[in-house]
Amino acid sequence: DIVMTQSPDSLALSLGERATINCESSQSVLYSSNNKNYLAWYQQKPRQPPKLLIYWASTRESGVPDRFSGSGSGTNFTLTISSLQAEDVAVYYCQQYYSSRTFGQGTKVEIK
Amino acid sequence: QVQLVQSGAEVKKPGASVKVSCKASGYTFTSYDINWVRQATGQGPEWMGWMSPNSGNTGYVQKFRGRVTMTRNTSISTAYMELSSLRSEDTAVYYCARALYDNYGFYYSWGQGTLVTVSS
Repeated sequence: DIVMTQSPDSLALSLGERATINCESSQSVLYSSNNKNYLAWYQQKPRQPPKLLIYWASTRESGVPDRFSGSGSGTNFTLTISSLQAEDVAVYYCQQYYSSRTFGQGTKVEIK
Repeated sequence: QVQLVQSGAEVKKPGASVKVSCKASGYTFTSYDINWVRQATGQGPEWMGWMSPNSGNTGYVQKFRGRVTMTRNTSISTAYMELSSLRSEDTAVYYCARALYDNYGFYYSWGQGTLVTVSS
């Protein structure tokens, strides 16, 4: 199984600051035949299901604010929130869908 | 709009079985696989497997094979996930989820979740 490891486990930032969440996969999730990274990011608020933010590592889902962006390739990926808003307080998960599906352990984002 | 509505919370004793339903609306039920994902408190989500409402074909994660059964009733656009031989470690919120397109493994529509509590 591909293991997804996120860092940090939590971070606390001031409103307007940039948030950076990292995700490392135990093997590459880049599919060479189509040059796509099989990596998604989700946001989860308490008592809600996960919400899809990003897929193919960098494609923003419709309706997701453009302060959210995804980058990376192969085994190392990053979710960036360019200017943290109060409504962004949540737990964020990365997920690979290259081989089966596995999620990271989550990164909790709070306001300082 | 696409909507997945799940059945209510369940409390089960160890060794029992639970069956969770997921009713789909807003799209053609047979066009997209239904996936099941569970999440224990404070943990990341865990994918359990998929079912094709069109063919009835299924694919289960090794960990759950022999204990999980995914079925459907196309006449009422409803998918089911049954988990048997329950143990305390199965206490979790269970979600059904659908892909955005082409059954790629990222999920844009989720049910509201069903809490299954396993306790003696």
